[in-house]
Amino acid sequence: SQTIHQWPATLVQPVGSPLSLECTVEGTSNPNLYWYRQAAGRGLQLLFYSVGIGQISSEVPQNLSASRPQDRQFILSSKKLLLSDSGFYLCAWSPGQRNQPQHFGDGTRLSIL
Amino acid sequence: AQTVTQSQPEMSVQEAETVTLSCTYDTSESDYYLFWYKQPPSRQMILVIRQEAYKQQNATENRFSVNFQKAAKSFSLKISDSQLGDAAMYFCAYESNNDMRFGAGTRLTVKP
Repeated sequence: SQTIHQWPATLVQPVGSPLSLECTVEGTSNPNLYWYRQAAGRGLQLLFYSVGIGQISSEVPQNLSASRPQDRQFILSSKKLLLSDSGFYLCAWSPGQRNQPQHFGDGTRLSIL
Repeated sequence: AQTVTQSQPEMSVQEAETVTLSCTYDTSESDYYLFWYKQPPSRQMILVIRQEAYKQQNATENRFSVNFQKAAKSFSLKISDSQLGDAAMYFCAYESNNDMRFGAGTRLTVKP
């Protein structure tokens, strides 16, 4: 069966520090991969999605970036964090076919001080 | 651009009773899917039910069912025989061509 792992679960970082959140999927190949941010009490905002290695689509211009160095690995990064980057970050995957449900990781709670 | 609207920020239901959560969406696409996700306090996103836009029959999963009105672009979720474990945030979502959009969510409280 397919599983998705996301880490760390919790992260506290100072303003201006770099960020690297990692997500990996097991049990499937060529998945679509997604990064979302959920502000407190709000819905999900799609940040990036990828349909293949090295293919990244950005939904919201900001100081975050994403990379997909391997088929089942998706990384969310920042060179310099802002206070506004605080939130709950969720990674998700779906099969490569169109219009399939997404399956989510357990999320990372990021607090910027 | 596709948008998803959940007009009820909060809803409450008595245990064992029925509650309906509303969702509307806006799209010019003809081929798309709709989903309801549940997010309990653990914050894990759990797929509850899905509906293919080309299917007229409403999807059903045990106590969960949807009322899909394609012309009205409405996709409501009905929870029957509500249980305490149903308490969570519920998100309506729309997907077309790998582009998924979520509503702002409805917080459901279940009263014992």
